[in-house]
Amino acid sequence: EIVLTQSPATLSLSPGQRATLSCRASQTISSHLAWYQQKPGQAPRLLIHDASNRATGIPARFSGSGSGTDFTLTISSLAPEDFAVYYCQQRSNWPITFGQGTRLEIK
Amino acid sequence: EVQLLESGGGLVQPGGSLRLSCAASGFSFSTYSLSWVRQAPGKGLQWVSSIGLDGTHYGDSVKGRFTISRDNPKNTLYLQMSSLRAEDTALYFCAKGRYGSGSNPFDYWGQGTLVTVSS
Repeated sequence: EIVLTQSPATLSLSPGQRATLSCRASQTISSHLAWYQQKPGQAPRLLIHDASNRATGIPARFSGSGSGTDFTLTISSLAPEDFAVYYCQQRSNWPITFGQGTRLEIK
Repeated sequence: EVQLLESGGGLVQPGGSLRLSCAASGFSFSTYSLSWVRQAPGKGLQWVSSIGLDGTHYGDSVKGRFTISRDNPKNTLYLQMSSLRAEDTALYFCAKGRYGSGSNPFDYWGQGTLVTVSS
C-alpha cells in the first residue's frame, strides 16, 4: 500500500498570504495525484488531478506541482473561503490511498 | 448538473448488515467508474471500493464483507455491507470517477450517509 504523508499537519496563515502544502508518497506514483478541499459538514471537492491539472471551476490561485514522490499544492493568495482541510490522494496503485490531511487555519 | 444522493445509512448492531444506495443524475452513468469513500467521525478520508469498466476493487479492511454493484438502467450505485464492525462507523460518500476504468480521482461527491455500528 502506498502511504501518503502530508505536511504540515496544520498551517496557520492570514488572508492574502501564500500557502504551500506538501504531500510525499512512499513510492513513486508518476503524476497520479489529486488534491481535495473539505470544509466542515461538506463533501470533499476536487481541486487538482494528475498532479497539476485544475478541476472544473477551480480558481487559478490554486496550483499543483510535482511528480514521482514529492508533490505540492500552492494557493497563491489566500481568500477567506480557502481555510479548510486539504487531502492528497494517489491513484497509481490499488488500493487508492489518501494522505492524513493538512488543516489550513486563519492566523 | 451532476448529482449524487446517498441513502440507506443508519444504526446497526455489530455483525449486522446494511445496503447503501447512491442515485446519480446529470452524466452518462454507465461510462464512469464509481466509488465509495468513508470518513470516520473527526478522521480523514478512506477509500472503500470502486466499480468500473475494469471490474471491482476493495480495500483490505472491507474485502470479503462488502460488495459494490451498480444498476446502470436505474443510474444507481450500491454497497452491500455485512459482518459490520464498530470500526465501520463512518459517513459514507458516493463519488464519481473522472474515467471509466482504473483508479480515479473523484470529481463529484455526494453529501454522504451515516452508518453507525453499535449495540
